[in-house]
Amino acid sequence: DVKVTQSSRYLVKRTGEKVFLECVQDMDHENMFWYRQDPGLGLRLIYFSYDVKMKEKGDIPEGYSVSREKKERFSLILESASTNQTSMYLCASSLLSGLAGETQYFGPGTRLLVL
Amino acid sequence: DAKTTQPNSMESNEEEPVHLPCNHSTISGTDYIHWYRQLPSQGPEYVIHGLTSNVNNRMASLAIAEDRKSSTLILHRATLRDAAVYYCILREAMNRDDKIIFGKGTRLHILP
Repeated sequence: DVKVTQSSRYLVKRTGEKVFLECVQDMDHENMFWYRQDPGLGLRLIYFSYDVKMKEKGDIPEGYSVSREKKERFSLILESASTNQTSMYLCASSLLSGLAGETQYFGPGTRLLVL
Repeated sequence: DAKTTQPNSMESNEEEPVHLPCNHSTISGTDYIHWYRQLPSQGPEYVIHGLTSNVNNRMASLAIAEDRKSSTLILHRATLRDAAVYYCILREAMNRDDKIIFGKGTRLHILP
């Protein structure tokens, strides 16, 4: 059974704190993604990676960075958390086949509250 | 990116078929039509995808119009567990980036 896990389901942090969100997949997928989901705005892509140590900006990368040191792990970093980063964060992974039929597998999400 | 249009919400009775429509009038010849759904408090999950022909799997069926400008996701016998937001997405073939652009989706309510 395919699996994408995220380090926390719920997280509460204070403004200015550094926040790490971890994502691990056990499917040997090359592609990994970080999205955030907000009411009325749907899912928006923050960053993605198609190989170890590679990263690409998504649609809303400002205020975030990522790290992919190992194939199975993709970390999202909020260098200095702000209240407008309160959101649901979703990690996903997929095979790098170059075909449009590959399924993206999502983790359960981390609900982050920044006070 | 080609865009999709879906109703904001739909209702259906339990154990009846559900037809979820999606319009994609600007679809290109190489775009695949994908459907994902998101159950409450969970991440999205893949449902089905197709290019030109109708497709069936254990979860649903996908009916694609002949001109490909619209498609319909069919749940043959809805259960309460099918209450979710359903996303219709176009994905470009041979897209190395494999990004998915999610729209607002259709919130499906199932009435017992």
